[in-house]
Amino acid sequence: GAVVSQHPSWVICKSGTSVKIECRSLDFQATTMFWYRQFPKQSLMLMATSNEGSKATYEQGVEKDKFLINHASLTLSTLTVTSAHPEDSSFYICSARQGPPVQTSYEQYFGPGTRLTVT
Amino acid sequence: AQTVTQSQPEMSVQEAETVTLSCTYDTSESNYYLFWYKQPPSRQMILVIRQEAYKQQNATENRFSVNFQKAAKSFSLKISDSQLGDTAMYFCAFILPPYTGGFKTIFGAGTRLFVKA
Repeated sequence: GAVVSQHPSWVICKSGTSVKIECRSLDFQATTMFWYRQFPKQSLMLMATSNEGSKATYEQGVEKDKFLINHASLTLSTLTVTSAHPEDSSFYICSARQGPPVQTSYEQYFGPGTRLTVT
Repeated sequence: AQTVTQSQPEMSVQEAETVTLSCTYDTSESNYYLFWYKQPPSRQMILVIRQEAYKQQNATENRFSVNFQKAAKSFSLKISDSQLGDTAMYFCAFILPPYTGGFKTIFGAGTRLFVKA
């Protein structure tokens, strides 16, 4: 149980276009989802926290107008990179935390990640 | 502010031997959770082991065990009988319960572990 999927697993887009990444919790309800960015050989950098039905909370330094996050249901959150530029190329990982009544030690379940390349 | 420090950027171990990865953290809270995550070359994050701070007993999961020293704010991971499949990046992570106002997971910088045949 507790599987999180991400789609697509990799995407190449042209500079100036937008790309949407989906994150789904397949067998549980996720009241909270997180979006991370990871550069090669580095740790995960939290970009934003999204709670179902409310606006995402962005970390300092993350442009909310560039990285649009929508958590429309208890099983789906999307990250849209708008007007992408080569510097947005990175590995994006989502994670989900089970909501009440089940909260197992606040563990996060991670998606497999999406590699974005902007040309 | 909560921080997690992993002082070993890279480590290597011979297959079948034991290796310990270190992690220290800083918080003024008394109740929190600690995790070790593994990220193999596939880059899928996998939970290795978890520890609740209020539990004094060290967590164990098969070949993986932790040495949790709350007073020293230390949370090391011991891997016994290392296997080639253990080759990965290992992240130590920390989280406060939601009622403290902190809900984010704080990750360390990671330790890259190579298991040699």
